[in-house]
Amino acid sequence: NAGVTQTPKFRILKIGQSMTLQCAQDMNHNYMYWYRQDPGMGLKLIYYSVGAGITDKGEVPNGYNVSRSTTEDFPLRLELAAPSQTSVYFCASSQGPEAFFGQGTRLTVV
Amino acid sequence: DQQVKQNSPSLSVQEGRISILNCDYTNSMFDYFLWYKKYPAEGPTFLISISSIKDKNEDGRFTVFLNKSAKHLSLHIVPSQPGDSAVYFCAAGDSWGKLQFGAGTQVVVTP
Repeated sequence: NAGVTQTPKFRILKIGQSMTLQCAQDMNHNYMYWYRQDPGMGLKLIYYSVGAGITDKGEVPNGYNVSRSTTEDFPLRLELAAPSQTSVYFCASSQGPEAFFGQGTRLTVV
Repeated sequence: DQQVKQNSPSLSVQEGRISILNCDYTNSMFDYFLWYKKYPAEGPTFLISISSIKDKNEDGRFTVFLNKSAKHLSLHIVPSQPGDSAVYFCAAGDSWGKLQFGAGTQVVVTP
């Protein structure tokens, strides 16, 4: 069972570069989320989606964009990377109160 | 605006004893409360949940208690085992999984 798959696992970006973090789920869940976790902090919601074609902002959306063209995929786009975006990013999906998480992408912006 | 708070960043407990983790929240509209466990370099994994209409839920060694009047929940692990050493996150949200997380409590179970 793959569950929620994130790629890449690690990435180093230079300031001003852009990249897309990939997320795919095979559980046919309608709801998908992107969180970031900074050291010593809980997870903060960046964006979420309630179904294909529908996305909305979470607590910390600035500097990010998302799209949801299919039920399975929910990529997160970083434009003009900044050091403040150095973090661990988690994608999750749900079809009820319990969310299932991917293994995370550790991103460093230098 | 931190709506879910875990005020203890760490907890050390002896193997076989009880671990008690605490969590406070401010939003009375939360429908569900969950605990997640996280090992290094892995994503959080679901441990146990409780809906806002209950005050206790048990699953094996894990019990979650909810006190709505105090806006407080706790997780009891009995008995604690070395494999329980991890970061535990309290989370709260609605019925479809949009969650707010506390900062986490690092639990260390010593032999």
